[in-house]
Amino acid sequence: KAGVTQTPRYLIKTRGQQVTLSCSPISGHRSVSWYQQTPGQGLQFLFEYFSETQRNKGNFPGRFSGRQFSNSRSEMNVSTLELGDSALYLCASSLGTENEQYFGPGTRLTVT
Amino acid sequence: QKEVEQDPGPLSVPEGAIVSLNCTYSNSAFQYFMWYRQYSRKGPELLMYTYSSGNKEDGRFTAQVDKSSKYISLFIRDSQPSDSATYLCAMRGLSGGYNKLIFGAGTRLAVHP
Repeated sequence: KAGVTQTPRYLIKTRGQQVTLSCSPISGHRSVSWYQQTPGQGLQFLFEYFSETQRNKGNFPGRFSGRQFSNSRSEMNVSTLELGDSALYLCASSLGTENEQYFGPGTRLTVT
Repeated sequence: QKEVEQDPGPLSVPEGAIVSLNCTYSNSAFQYFMWYRQYSRKGPELLMYTYSSGNKEDGRFTAQVDKSSKYISLFIRDSQPSDSATYLCAMRGLSGGYNKLIFGAGTRLAVHP
């Protein structure tokens, strides 16, 4: 069974721009969560989607948003990029909202 | 104070050693406990998933949870150079309809031949 896939793997953007990251969960998984990983803050929860509905949101500004499609694929968007948004963005999928999460390889975003 | 505390290391051990990795936490609502392994420039890989207190063994890995002390451990027996990675503990409460994980900072482990 294929794992979680994330595209693109690497991205370089300029301050003020916006970016969209994509995540395809493991087949059959309906829950997708997003995390931000930085050297200073570690792994921090962004949001979770289940059946196209956002179930929970972490403590991030409104510039961070996401959505989930009917096939469980998910996207996250960051608008008005700041230097501090440079990070590894990880997507994790699970069967449901109470199951173990499996992570993708991440998208490394660099903001210059 | 962070909800989950984990010594970032680095921890350096010789091949074949028993490795002990630990996390402490403050939120008594945490019920599910996980250990992930993350190689450089890769996503975290789930190693162990346990519910409530007790031990769980899988090959060379043993996870222990002591809820009374709010302390979890991961033991790696017969450590190999391929075990060199960052080990992250993670935990969450009963669902309540969401699946938000709280992570420790991660411990960097180096196993040298």
